[in-house]
Amino acid sequence: GQQLNQSPQSMFIQEGEDVSMNCTSSSIFNTWLWYKQDPGEGPVLLIALYKAGELTSNGRLTAQFGITRKDSFLNISASIPSDVGIYFCAGSSNFNKFYFGSGTKLNVKP
Amino acid sequence: GAVVSQHPSWVICKSGTSVKIECRSLDFQATTMFWYRQFPKQSLMLMATSNEGSKATYEQGVEKDKFLINHASLTLSTLTVTSAHPEDSSFYICSALGQGDSEQYFGPGTRLTVT
Repeated sequence: GQQLNQSPQSMFIQEGEDVSMNCTSSSIFNTWLWYKQDPGEGPVLLIALYKAGELTSNGRLTAQFGITRKDSFLNISASIPSDVGIYFCAGSSNFNKFYFGSGTKLNVKP
Repeated sequence: GAVVSQHPSWVICKSGTSVKIECRSLDFQATTMFWYRQFPKQSLMLMATSNEGSKATYEQGVEKDKFLINHASLTLSTLTVTSAHPEDSSFYICSALGQGDSEQYFGPGTRLTVT
């Protein structure tokens, strides 16, 4: 199946720093979703985006739906140790099938 | 928020046996459920889309006779891995899409180990 290009693959940052990651697709999507997955668990939905240009926040997390509808980014401000995990983007063009990025592994050093 | 459960959370079986995994939407009705497989340190790969009351749609390369999917009600979908082999060992995750909803919610996953 289709996979999205997600970058960076991994990040090592200091507590308190801001983080940015993004996803790009060759296809136009109507929905972008961002998830966080902890080891051995299922992904947890962080933010959902439905309109091109939309900017949505959830606490320290902010995500944007790219104007071309082929990309999205996720920012985490003032990172804390519990932000550690793998972040996945997911995109869909028809709500019946979602494609996932390869994941960004975030490591936060206290 | 929407809650999706999976059972069992982990299972060990012998090669050649079959294993059934259940996916339930606990507080909403799910017209569509998805089944994913995730290998260590990799992303989620969609296996099939399950629609209540109809046959599942399988992704290319996924054997429908090996991975049997049944979505008999609006709150339950099952994945049966038939004649399991060690290469089927993986983390299987389901997700559910509510009617009129454009967000999918994931279950906690099932770790399958085939010996």
